[in-house]
Amino acid sequence: GAVVSQHPSWVICKSGTSVKIECRSLDFQATTMFWYRQFPKQSLMLMATSNEGSKATYEQGVEKDKFLINHASLTLSTLTVTSAHPEDSSFYICSARDLRSGTPGAEAFFGQGTRLTVV
Amino acid sequence: AQSVTQLGSHVSVSEGALVLLRCNYSSSVPPYLFWYVQYPNQGLQLLLKYTTGATLVKGINGFEAEFKKSETSFHLTKPSAHMSDAAEYFCAVNYGGSQGNLIFGKGTKLSVKP
Repeated sequence: GAVVSQHPSWVICKSGTSVKIECRSLDFQATTMFWYRQFPKQSLMLMATSNEGSKATYEQGVEKDKFLINHASLTLSTLTVTSAHPEDSSFYICSARDLRSGTPGAEAFFGQGTRLTVV
Repeated sequence: AQSVTQLGSHVSVSEGALVLLRCNYSSSVPPYLFWYVQYPNQGLQLLLKYTTGATLVKGINGFEAEFKKSETSFHLTKPSAHMSDAAEYFCAVNYGGSQGNLIFGKGTKLSVKP
């Protein structure tokens, strides 16, 4: 299947700093990418949906000024956690689908996830 | 609201025993259905999916699932559990929206005892 590469796999940062997470589709063009947050022993919570070349659509309760998403090309989306605080510590996962095929049943490919720890 | 329900947050089976992980969706319109597996500190890997056609779907690692419209279910099974099957399993649905977003169940942690 297609490969989605997410980097870094883990990061520790100081409170108040910003962290950028990259999500790349390696062998297909991802018109749409999804960013999820996963708390321990819980399911994935969709944070936002990004479409190449346009603004991301954020889910209710997600601060768009805190979680900046950029999807500048068909193979790269980035999530920047700005002014990180300990409560932002979590596992972040990106997902990509090529929806140009027009197939809603097309599977989503997931990155390896990024473990963010804010100290 | 559309939702996905996974019965049992934790399932424990013995090695060699049948694995049954339950998933029900809430919609009168059949969605597209997926099962994903997640190993610790990793992303999600697709096990299998149902879109159209045959209701019994076979996936990787010996898993299969059957779509039952009358029961709005998509339970995941494997005849004989292996130690390497221990992981978190997520059922997900796509109702065909333009954004193509997946709605996930809360997950079921599968433990396999020797």
